[in-house]
Amino acid sequence: AQSVTQPDIHITVSEGASLELRCNYSYGATPYLFWYVQSPGQGLQLLLKYFSGDTLVQGIKGFEAEFKRSQSSFNLRKPSVHWSDAAEYFCAVAKAGQAGTALIFGKGTTLSVSS
Amino acid sequence: GAGVSQSPSNKVTEKGKDVELRCDPISGHTALYWYRQSLGQGLEFLIYFQGNSAPDKSGLPSDRFSAERTGGSVSTLTIQRTQQEDSAVYLCASSGVGGTQYFGPGTRLTVL
Repeated sequence: AQSVTQPDIHITVSEGASLELRCNYSYGATPYLFWYVQSPGQGLQLLLKYFSGDTLVQGIKGFEAEFKRSQSSFNLRKPSVHWSDAAEYFCAVAKAGQAGTALIFGKGTTLSVSS
Repeated sequence: GAGVSQSPSNKVTEKGKDVELRCDPISGHTALYWYRQSLGQGLEFLIYFQGNSAPDKSGLPSDRFSAERTGGSVSTLTIQRTQQEDSAVYLCASSGVGGTQYFGPGTRLTVL
């Protein structure tokens, strides 16, 4: 069965510093991968997605992620973090291995930004 | 509408009562999903509707949970005989061509 692991429950970075949030997935074929962000009291907002093609995908708010099949990873990165990036971040994989099916989420990583 | 809407935003109920949660998907989206977000379990898939196909109910935790989608649009998630462990935020999402899911703001359910 598909699964998603986000090893870091909580990360604190300084404003202006770079960020990398880790995500590992378990799936036999080429996965459909997503990163969502959730601000306090808000719903989930899609940051970026990987379906196929270029393994480095660009998203909104200056985020990018790289799909590495050999490492079963889809890590999220941002070169310079802003205080407004403080939120909870979720990595997800499509349940049935195709877009439009239910998502399996990781437990999430809470990002705090210090000044 | 511009996005997925859910109502009510908050619901407090007593143990044993039934509750109904509503989701209005983005106009034209054929797929609709329900998820549950709780402190202990994280984000869990509950049920998925795609067009006129039979729904994927594989995530429903018990037979107290059910959902329907009328006219291919609005969906209602019903929880019968609520228990305290049902307290969570219930999120609805919809998707169209391309399959990207767009989420609503959620309904926070508190069972006393």
